[in-house]
Amino acid sequence: KQEVTQIPAALSVPEGENLVLNCSFTDSAIYNLQWFRQDPGKGLTSLLLIQSSQREQTSGRLNASLDKSSGRSTLYIAASQPGDSATYLCAVINAGNNRKLIWGLGTSLAVNP
Amino acid sequence: EAGVAQSPRYKIIEKRQSVAFWCNPISGHATLYWYQQILGQGPKLLIQFQNNGVVDDSQLPKDRFSAERLKGVDSTLKIQPAKLEDSAVYLCASSSQGATEQYFGPGTRLTVT
Repeated sequence: KQEVTQIPAALSVPEGENLVLNCSFTDSAIYNLQWFRQDPGKGLTSLLLIQSSQREQTSGRLNASLDKSSGRSTLYIAASQPGDSATYLCAVINAGNNRKLIWGLGTSLAVNP
Repeated sequence: EAGVAQSPRYKIIEKRQSVAFWCNPISGHATLYWYQQILGQGPKLLIQFQNNGVVDDSQLPKDRFSAERLKGVDSTLKIQPAKLEDSAVYLCASSSQGATEQYFGPGTRLTVT
């Protein structure tokens, strides 16, 4: 059964720091992996989607990597800003017919001015 | 392109009352999802529609929850009667035919007192 874990659960950094959020999954047979951002009490915004055949995706100050064999993905945020403060969730879709998103619990990020 | 719309954004009801949520997916998206997200947890899929047919409702508490998507576009999710443990954010998402990337609405925060 696929399980997704995110470490750390919470992170507080000063503005301007580069930071890395981690996501691990137990079954490497995935179809893709997505990183989402969630502001308190709000919906989810898709940040990056990495197909199983890809190693990384970039969007602005965000870079997500995928190492399927080790069951890991990282989200790198460069030059963090207070506006980056949110919860970041990763979710995987397993290969096969069941295309459900399997979610981690998220990392709550606070970027302090 | 307009995103996924949901209403209301917030709702407070007493236990045993009824409540309904509405979702309008991205135009042309065949697949629509309803999720329940309890504070501190990842989203839990309640029901998935493909056009106006149900693909997966295995985690929908059918004794109190119901959902419909009559014309294959808008959808409503109803809870009757509500319990305290139904307090959560209810998220609607949609995806295009055959695609796995899901686009989320802003969510409805339900508080049951």
